[in-house]
Amino acid sequence: EVQLVESGGGLVKPGGSLRLSCAASGFAFNVYSVHWVRQAPGKGLEWLSSITSSSSSINYADSVRGRFTISRDNAKNSLYLEMTSLRDEDSAVYYCARVGLRGIMFDSWGQGTRVTVSS
Amino acid sequence: QTVVTQEPSFSVSPGGTVTLTCGLSSGSLSGAYYPSWYQQTPGQAPRTLIYNTFSRSSGVPDRFSGSILGNKAALTITGAQAEDEADYYCLIKMGGGIWVFGGGTKLTVL
Repeated sequence: EVQLVESGGGLVKPGGSLRLSCAASGFAFNVYSVHWVRQAPGKGLEWLSSITSSSSSINYADSVRGRFTISRDNAKNSLYLEMTSLRDEDSAVYYCARVGLRGIMFDSWGQGTRVTVSS
Repeated sequence: QTVVTQEPSFSVSPGGTVTLTCGLSSGSLSGAYYPSWYQQTPGQAPRTLIYNTFSRSSGVPDRFSGSILGNKAALTITGAQAEDEADYYCLIKMGGGIWVFGGGTKLTVL
């Protein structure tokens, strides 16, 4: 069974940093692209970042470029999101998602980890 | 910056048919953007419904269908059921490795 399990969320002060992790199991993690998506309270889904299977291509939404860094460790079947210079508006549930092999849709999602940025 | 547009809300009667749409703030949305659709109920992660405009994800009932209507992608629910009450999001694969979600449509079944 394909599983994605996020962790690392919590309460952080504005300007602080946090590292999210996504542990993958049940599939060959090293052949899939994976993404981070977030959802602020009461708001819609927002695509944040993607990384290809070999980390050869990385992309970011304008809202997080320069502050967030996506990475992966295929040996550990894990995806990461390093978040710095956090703002109130970064408060959200953060999901990791797997892109299907055709590269045209998200076919598996984690349950999310909540990040709250507040003083 | 391109904005992906969806109706904020829609209502359908049980057993009725509803079509939700997904468009671009500038230009036409075609299959070349590989539109996909996701359903989300409160407190849950999104569930994949439709990908590549038309294709249903595994286990998705055939009352859900995708299409292109004019210059927009569309999700049609034929014979809506109470459990279809949810938020629906389209996702567009833009060029340059960038993806964009629509703002979502809150569907009420009553």
